[in-house]
Formats: sequence, structure tokens, C-alpha cells
Amino acid sequence: AQSVSQHNHHVILSEAASLELGCNYSYGGTVNLFWYVQYPGQHLQLLLKYFSGDPLVKGIKGFEAEFIKSKFSFNLRKPSVQWSDTAEYFCAVKDYGGSQGNLIFGKGTKLSVKP
Amino acid sequence: GAGVSQSPSNKVTEKGKDVELRCDPISGHTALYWYRQSLGQGLEFLIYFQGNSAPDKSGLPSDRFSAERTGGSVSTLTIQRTQQEDSAVYLCASSLLTGLYEQYFGPGTRLTVT
Repeated sequence: AQSVSQHNHHVILSEAASLELGCNYSYGGTVNLFWYVQYPGQHLQLLLKYFSGDPLVKGIKGFEAEFIKSKFSFNLRKPSVQWSDTAEYFCAVKDYGGSQGNLIFGKGTKLSVKP
Repeated sequence: GAGVSQSPSNKVTEKGKDVELRCDPISGHTALYWYRQSLGQGLEFLIYFQGNSAPDKSGLPSDRFSAERTGGSVSTLTIQRTQQEDSAVYLCASSLLTGLYEQYFGPGTRLTVT
């Protein structure tokens, strides 16, 4: 079955540092890829998504992610983080080889940004 | 417009009791999903409804878990004979359809089984 790995459990950065959060899924085929963010005390929100086309996708708040099919990866990046980016980030895959509906999530990466 | 709402926001129950968790999806969304978020475990898919089709129950962890969706709108997740390992945040999401449509998440119900 499809699975998603997020390599970092907790990342601590200072403001203005660059961010890259890793995400790998287990096998290929047709997939849709997502990054969700959960700010403290808030519900999950979509940050960005990839369905097809340009493998470099841009999301809200200056985030972007690159789909590299050969590496089964969809890493999240931001050139300069802010304190307000402190949150938990979840990578998710929709796998058309399995159930047509649900997303498969990674375990999340907690980002703490020091002011 | 209104987002996905869930009730209650918090539920504390004794081991062995039954609980019902409610989800109100975004109006017009035909697909509805339940997930469970346990500490350090990410989100685990439970069940998925799409229109009038039979639900996909492949994620339900045991037969103590069931869900229904009435009139294609409100959904109720029921956990019978709760166990301590059922303690988690239960999240509901809805989307316009399946396929290329974003899932919108509710705030969740935090269930604590004592």
C-alpha cells in the first residue's frame, strides 16, 4: 500500500532562514500530492497541491514544492521563514491505485521558528 | 461561506461507553471523509462517503467503529465500547467531488477515553 514519509519530526529555525521539508511516497503511478499546514489551535489548511503539469508548484504564504517523479519526492520549500510559519506541516498523497477517495498522510513535521 | 463544522469539540468518556461524533460538511460537497489524528501518528483514514455510493470503510480499525451519512449531508461517526487507544482527534473533511478537488477539514473532535 502507498505510504508517505516525512523525514524530519521537528525542525527549529531562526527567522529568515531557508526551509526545506522532505516528503517521499512509496511507489509511483498516478498520484496527486498535497501539503497541509496546521497552525497552533487551528484546523488543517491546504498549503499547495500538485495534480499535473509544471512540477514546481507555488502555494500560499511564499511556500513552494517540487515534484520529482524519479525520486518519489515532493519537498516543501520556503526561502525565508517567519515566526508566523510556526506550525505542523503534513504531506499527503492521493493514490489512484487504491481507494479513490482518501488522502494518505505523513506523520507531520513540526516547525518552530525562533524570532 | 461556512466551513466544515464538528461537534462536540471535546469529549471525555469512560472506557466501555459509546460515543457519537458529528460532522456538518460544507453545503454542496458530495464527498465526506473521516480521519483520526493520534499523537505523533499523522492522520489515519477511517471512512469515506461519496454521494449515494456505498461508503469506503477500508480504514475503520475495528467493528466497534461505524459511520453513517444522512441525506447526503451530516455524518455521524459512532464508536462503541470505547477503549483507551481510541483517544485521538477525529477529523472530518469534505470536498466538492473526489478526484481533483481539495479536501476541506473541520476543527476536529478531541476524544479522551479514561
